[in-house]
Amino acid sequence: GESVGLHLPTLSVQEGDNSIINCAYSNSASDYFIWYKQESGKGPQFIIDIRSNMDKRQGQRVTVLLNKTVKHLSLQIAATQPGDSAVYFCAEGGGSARQLTFGSGTQLTVLP
Amino acid sequence: EAQVTQNPRYLITVTGKKLTVTCSQNMNHEYMSWYRQDPGLGLRQIYYSMNVEVTDKGDVPEGYKVSRKEKRNFPLILESPSPNQTSLYFCASSPQGRNTEAFFGQGTRLTVV
Repeated sequence: GESVGLHLPTLSVQEGDNSIINCAYSNSASDYFIWYKQESGKGPQFIIDIRSNMDKRQGQRVTVLLNKTVKHLSLQIAATQPGDSAVYFCAEGGGSARQLTFGSGTQLTVLP
Repeated sequence: EAQVTQNPRYLITVTGKKLTVTCSQNMNHEYMSWYRQDPGLGLRQIYYSMNVEVTDKGDVPEGYKVSRKEKRNFPLILESPSPNQTSLYFCASSPQGRNTEAFFGQGTRLTVV
């Protein structure tokens, strides 16, 4: 089956800097993408989503970019805060897929 | 408060002893699903349900059963648990299925010895 992967398993950033978390997907038929945040001991929490008819979507302090040409998705977090420390997952869906397919996650650590 | 509630949060059991993990959502969502989360493997879907009395296998259904007799509840049943089912389990619900955001429960940490 198709898979979703993340370029880096861990990412450390200084508090106040911007964070960029990347995700590569391989199913060209996917038309829906989501980013989730999972804090220790908690379930994944929705951050932002984007459909394939868009290449950028902004939320509060977060921006998702979609590059369908190279099948790449990124999550940008502005002015990273200690509360942003978590594991971030991307997921893809749509097309012929019966359900969302999740990547293995990137651990973001915010340094003081 | 809109939420997905799983019980229990932690469970240690012995091989072969049947167990059920409950999941309930109060958002009137039609779509519910179960995932397991293992280190390095991310979230893998076990079973999902599009609506009451409609269930289907996900990517890793072996050794699990589900039922959807009511819209709000979607229990996960392990008839004969084995150590390879030791994992962190999440229930999720969403209003329209696979192309909308899923709301996750807090997770159930299961250990089978």
